[in-house]
Amino acid sequence: AQKITQTQPGMFVQEKEAVTLDCTYDTSDPSYGLFWYKQPSSGEMIFLIYQGSYDQQNATEGRYSLNFQKARKSANLVISASQLGDSAMYFCAMRDGSGGSYIPTFGRGTSLIVHP
Amino acid sequence: DVKVTQSSRYLVKRTGEKVFLECVQDMDHENMFWYRQDPGLGLRLIYFSYDVKMKEKGDIPEGYSVSREKKERFSLILESASTNQTSMYLCATREYNSPLHFGNGTRLTVT
Repeated sequence: AQKITQTQPGMFVQEKEAVTLDCTYDTSDPSYGLFWYKQPSSGEMIFLIYQGSYDQQNATEGRYSLNFQKARKSANLVISASQLGDSAMYFCAMRDGSGGSYIPTFGRGTSLIVHP
Repeated sequence: DVKVTQSSRYLVKRTGEKVFLECVQDMDHENMFWYRQDPGLGLRLIYFSYDVKMKEKGDIPEGYSVSREKKERFSLILESASTNQTSMYLCATREYNSPLHFGNGTRLTVT
């Protein structure tokens, strides 16, 4: 079974609008971490934001925020005021203690296109 | 800033060739990883290493091996390349449970 599910293969948003990219996860480990990465067309993977399972507040980094709903096991990325440069693939990832290794597992990604 | 360098950006090899993908990091990180990225499948872990000469299989190790003789270098080896190994290969490093730092990737084509 997939540990990380991203149900939106592709998303479109108008410049300056907000967009939410969905991510649900599955783990029985009470201690885990959730990450979002951005991959522009150039190919490099850029770390955006992190949420720990025990963090009380939703994580924010500039225009990026993470809507963390623990009971629903969801960790959606919200990008406010979209810019053309936000067009990229976005990956949600989780690390937990399964097998004792804390290795990050990635979702299949969401392709975001920002229209002018 | 962490620098993770993958030796080749693009590589074209023939079926049956032995292929080496090299990854070097400059931050003394313990953990190093090799992922494979395919459209619609996301990133899948091939192998990882948590110390010199230590390696662990990931989710899709078949057809691959790795070598970590020095802390800064983690090599992915395709013993006999096949067309189904045509893919983007991403190396990453990490200090403890911090976010991964990725190289720019190697796009391998096996013909």
